[in-house]
Amino acid sequence: QQQVKQSPQSLIVQKGGISIINCAYENTAFDYFPWYQQFPGKGPALLIAIRPDVSEKKEGRFTISFNKSAKQFSLHIMDSQPGDSATYFCAASSNDYKLSFGAGTTVTVRA
Amino acid sequence: DGGITQSPKYLFRKEGQNVTLSCEQNLNHDAMYWYRQDPGQGLRLIYYSQIVNDFQKGDIAEGYSVSREKKESFPLTVTSAQKNPTAFYLCASSSGQGSSANSGYTFGSGTRLTVV
Repeated sequence: QQQVKQSPQSLIVQKGGISIINCAYENTAFDYFPWYQQFPGKGPALLIAIRPDVSEKKEGRFTISFNKSAKQFSLHIMDSQPGDSATYFCAASSNDYKLSFGAGTTVTVRA
Repeated sequence: DGGITQSPKYLFRKEGQNVTLSCEQNLNHDAMYWYRQDPGQGLRLIYYSQIVNDFQKGDIAEGYSVSREKKESFPLTVTSAQKNPTAFYLCASSSGQGSSANSGYTFGSGTRLTVV
């Protein structure tokens, strides 16, 4: 069974809008939560990551919000652009280095 | 430029054949991983290796085999025992120093395997 549950499976947003992707986990040993961006036919690339000692991290238009007590974290893409159209994966790991991935969210930004 | 090279980009396998996917990294990473990607199922871990000459099964290891004879290389063999091998295969590496130094994975560009 998946250790990280991701939703929604897909979303469509207008250019300039906000995309929000949510993830939930059960394993309290997880201490590293990255997000990956994948374009068709390519490998995923690290987008942004957070550790549980902070509740929010922002890099440009991308923000991770982290709620340790609820065991949830989310990715917000502000001012979405057509170039942001991709599949996004959340993931989590603990000290053993193995990342457990969510099922992915396909984001389509309409011009 | 440091990175991960996967080859070939496309691979076709006949029924009953074994095929080997190559993965090479020049990032001096200790840990390497193989994932399988199917539509709607995300990335599923096949095998991983934290050091040379050692590797562990992931969640879907049946029908696959690996070796780690060199730090830079982690080839994956898809055997005839894998009944549904058509998928996109991704190799990744990480520093493997523990979460305090964890900077995430670096992925290769993938190999698309198709059974014909």
